[in-house]
Amino acid sequence: DSGVTQTPKHLITATGQRVTLRCSPRSGDLSVYWYQQSLDQGLQFLIQYYNGEERAKGNILERFSAQQFPDLHSELNLSSLELGDSALYFCASSVAGGRVETQYFGPGTRLLVL
Amino acid sequence: QKEVEQDPGPLSVPEGAIVSLNCTYSNSAFQYFMWYRQYSRKGPELLMYTYSSGNKEDGRFTAQVDKSSKYISLFIRDSQPSDSATYLCAMSDAGGTSYGKLTFGQGTILTVHP
Repeated sequence: DSGVTQTPKHLITATGQRVTLRCSPRSGDLSVYWYQQSLDQGLQFLIQYYNGEERAKGNILERFSAQQFPDLHSELNLSSLELGDSALYFCASSVAGGRVETQYFGPGTRLLVL
Repeated sequence: QKEVEQDPGPLSVPEGAIVSLNCTYSNSAFQYFMWYRQYSRKGPELLMYTYSSGNKEDGRFTAQVDKSSKYISLFIRDSQPSDSATYLCAMSDAGGTSYGKLTFGQGTILTVHP
């Protein structure tokens, strides 16, 4: 158990809908990362937050947004969902968000868009 | 072309075999190299981390980085059925605004059979 929690574990929804994925980092970690894992694209970095501020951005779609709250939990919002958004979404956390830190991954949220 | 290329396998070996997993990359800014292991229906977990070129050993695992060839390897000695998992290489650069962003390979599925 990495200490990172993600809810929900599974999510089934329809195209055009909006969903929110939630992540609680390990106790003491200030940085949160979101990744998307699909069969064709592999594991791809979406966005990183550090202590409430956006720190780095990857190939995150405009339909997707994220935030980190004062209690350090984070939410990833996915809107106008398309079939191709079906994937595993992982949250990871690290102490301070530097380049050489270990990132601890949560168990993921499996999203299926029908 | 992807920044990080990794043969997805699958790779099937008998127990006790030496396993060699490899990744190539194109971004010469990558300085930090990692190997993650991902069991089925779990999040990735860090196995090994190497900075710049060289070798690093940890028990049955050895990581090698050859920056001149843009090639990294993970060797597993005396492989065990419990090593059956997907192995992902990951990389990070040393400067710019990418901070904690990791770029992953596609992952290699490994099965070690008794």
